[in-house]
Amino acid sequence: DQQVKQNSPSLSVQEGRISILNCDYTNSMFDYFLWYKKYPAEGPTFLISISSIKDKNEDGRFTVFLNKSAKHLSLHIVPSQPGDSAVYFCAASGGQNFVFGPGTRLSVLP
Amino acid sequence: DAGITQSPRYKITETGRQVTLMCHQTWSHSYMFWYRQDLGHGLRLIYYSAAADITDKGEVPDGYVVSRSKTENFPLTLESATRSQTSVYFCASTRGGNYGYTFGSGTRLTVV
Repeated sequence: DQQVKQNSPSLSVQEGRISILNCDYTNSMFDYFLWYKKYPAEGPTFLISISSIKDKNEDGRFTVFLNKSAKHLSLHIVPSQPGDSAVYFCAASGGQNFVFGPGTRLSVLP
Repeated sequence: DAGITQSPRYKITETGRQVTLMCHQTWSHSYMFWYRQDLGHGLRLIYYSAAADITDKGEVPDGYVVSRSKTENFPLTLESATRSQTSVYFCASTRGGNYGYTFGSGTRLTVV
């Protein structure tokens, strides 16, 4: 059973609008979360992280929100740009290895 | 060049053959990982290593063998390749703890 879920395989957003990518986890021991972005034919690259002691972390156009009680986190991209089109992976760790979700493919339409 | 490199980038092999994918990192990171990426499954952990000569199984280890005689190298061997092992393979490394992983560019393996 997947411990980290990204229930939307794909998402399309108009350029300039907000993109919201969701991630749910089942393991209550997870206390650190990462988002990675992956372009075709490249390895995933680190985007933003959040610790369970916070409920929000912001880095430029990217903000990650964590709702511990719901075991849910989301990545907001504002404003979305065509260069943001990629696959986004959520990852979670409880002190050992990170567990990755299946990914969401974001398409930002010009 | 500093970083994490994988070779080859692309490989086609026949069913039953042995094939080795290479991974090399220059940071002396303690931890190294092998993932495979398949549609609908995301990144699944095959094997990982916490240090030289220490390796452990991940989520999908069957059919794979790893070794880590030196900190900087972490080769992945498919002992007898099967079509189900057609995938994109990513190597990653980290210094540990909550430090994020740095991934290589991947090896696209096709087993025919």
